[in-house]
Amino acid sequence: TQLLEQSPQFLSIQEGENLTVYCNSSSVFSSLQWYRQEPGEGPVLLVTVVTGGEVKKLKRLTFQFGDARKDSSLHITAAQPGDTGLYLCAGVTFSAGNMLTFGGGTRLMVKP
Amino acid sequence: GAGVSQSPSNKVTEKGKDVELRCDPISGHTALYWYRQSLGQGLEFLIYFQGNSAPDKSGLPSDRFSAERTGGSVSTLTIQRTQQEDSAVYLCASSSFTGTGGRETQYFGPGTRLLVL
Repeated sequence: TQLLEQSPQFLSIQEGENLTVYCNSSSVFSSLQWYRQEPGEGPVLLVTVVTGGEVKKLKRLTFQFGDARKDSSLHITAAQPGDTGLYLCAGVTFSAGNMLTFGGGTRLMVKP
Repeated sequence: GAGVSQSPSNKVTEKGKDVELRCDPISGHTALYWYRQSLGQGLEFLIYFQGNSAPDKSGLPSDRFSAERTGGSVSTLTIQRTQQEDSAVYLCASSSFTGTGGRETQYFGPGTRLLVL
């Protein structure tokens, strides 16, 4: 069974602070995706990383994929209240129709 | 709108009753996925369809759960003899499966919140 562990589970910070969320896998997936989910809505894809060592930036968000393709991180610079939400990493299994295996999620609250 | 829609948005039922949850995917998307999100288990995969076929049903929690997809479009997830542990948010997602090695985007609907009393 492939598992994804996310940490921390909860994070409460002040506006302007930096933070990092970690996602560690017990095995290698076809790719790894990061999602953000707001209350009452489904998850929305932020980024897909495929290649070991890959770094992708999305405004103040930086996503890294480990060289062994088993761990990933999401770093937010100068967090804003609008960044509040549930962040989920998910491993993609191409051989199973791109089935997603989700981590437990990190619930982020950014206080003004 | 052109997104994934799900109905009903909320469903309250009594233990032992059957429920049907509906998903309307984005037009033209060949792949459709069902997931369940609960406090204790997080977000877990249930089943996926490629066209009208479900190649792997092993993610369904028990034989009380079934799903079908007709016409390569609408899908229905049915839970028979509901139990309290079935209470969760049931999410549907669709994508255009292009076989590009896991790079496709899954677009999620808002979910159906099921409460079994």
